[in-house]
Amino acid sequence: GESVGLHLPTLSVQEGDNSIINCAYSNSASDYFIWYKQESGKGPQFIIDIRSNMDKRQGQRVTVLLNKTVKHLSLQIAATQPGDSAVYFCAEIAGTNAGKSTFGDGTTLTVKP
Amino acid sequence: EPEVTQTPSHQVTQMGQEVILRCVPISNHLYFYWYRQILGQKVEFLVSFYNNEISEKSEIFDDQFSVERPDGSNFTLKIRSTKLEDSAMYFCASRNTGVRNTEAFFGQGTRLTVV
Repeated sequence: GESVGLHLPTLSVQEGDNSIINCAYSNSASDYFIWYKQESGKGPQFIIDIRSNMDKRQGQRVTVLLNKTVKHLSLQIAATQPGDSAVYFCAEIAGTNAGKSTFGDGTTLTVKP
Repeated sequence: EPEVTQTPSHQVTQMGQEVILRCVPISNHLYFYWYRQILGQKVEFLVSFYNNEISEKSEIFDDQFSVERPDGSNFTLKIRSTKLEDSAMYFCASRNTGVRNTEAFFGQGTRLTVV
């Protein structure tokens, strides 16, 4: 069956492959989204953000896609490296309070050398 | 590189006891936050703090919780009478502006275990 777009709790990829991590958000009023990376024993770390008036934003080796029609976000990591192994989760913000985020379920990415 | 630091890294306390979790935000930051993450669950927003007062709090942040910035460097979360369900990782974060696209910096967390 088709798995594109589904949130997976774990993802295992080979070093050098591209990774796609998905997130479904719940609030139609959310207009700002952030992807975080959380390594073991550390707090969340900002990766990339996107406003709702955009459908794609690129960073260094990472791209975020936003589909507001189906309330879906994805994070694409190009040429995945062992240092990318971590838990990734999205967060949505609906109001002006920058810190009042609703966080999604995490995906544990494991990169095999 | 400046960072948010939290102490202790792990706190074990008996049910009913008071705990204070401490955070030192990045020095020029003005907006402060606490989050918690119960093991295996999502990160949850607890409270935001600016200009020496709470700007917003979640439903989780009930009367048992309080926050304080007792001096120019520390930001604390107090749980007055801990319950078993308060066991979680607690993260502090800070940012230098309230603008949403300003990056928030998180501490490494305090693992609170209530027994």
